[in-house]
Amino acid sequence: GALVYQYPRRTICKSGTSMRMECQAVGFQATSVAWYRQSPQKTFELIALSTVNSAIKYEQNFTQEKFPISHPNLSFSSMTVLNAYLEDRGLYLCGAQNSGNTLYFGEGSRLIVV
Amino acid sequence: SQWGEENLQALSIQEGEDVTMNCSYKTYTTVVQWYRQKSGKGPAQLILIRSNEREKRSGRLRATLDTSSQSSSLSITGTLATDTAVYFCATEGANYNVLYFGSGTKLTVEP
Repeated sequence: GALVYQYPRRTICKSGTSMRMECQAVGFQATSVAWYRQSPQKTFELIALSTVNSAIKYEQNFTQEKFPISHPNLSFSSMTVLNAYLEDRGLYLCGAQNSGNTLYFGEGSRLIVV
Repeated sequence: SQWGEENLQALSIQEGEDVTMNCSYKTYTTVVQWYRQKSGKGPAQLILIRSNEREKRSGRLRATLDTSSQSSSLSITGTLATDTAVYFCATEGANYNVLYFGSGTKLTVEP
């Protein structure tokens, strides 16, 4: 079946430092990867959509300068949170899909900023 | 925002009861998907209903879609304690590859 692995599961970083998170798709080709941030209240914010061989599309309030994303092949994507501050805290979820409508999610990478 | 309801809703029921969760959305979509997120896990798709369908069933799940009122519902019959989770509906943006999630319903099923 389709599985998505995310790592690290949890990171504690000092304010102003950066965190890189990775997303691995297994069992299918991840032609598109959507990165979300989920708040403690469970609200989802879409950060960006990355499609192989296309430009990455960032949502309003999220930029490439702050959240650079790499999607080099059909099984892997990574995103970095640069200069993380308290407002960047949350669970970062990677949702990958092939040609269908279904997003397959990993278990998320939780960012804690101290 | 794509959504009419912005806050996480909460429901608590007893095992065996039926439950219906609702969501409304503001912008046009051709597809509504329902996802379930259990504690410590990522969301997992439960059911997908298209704009030309009024109802879709899958096991104990039943989803409805009313495009005129831009609302959808998910019903679970004969709930189990393992149905405890947060349930989200999601709609597609202008770019069909993008899903926008609603605020969710936290369902607790007591054994």
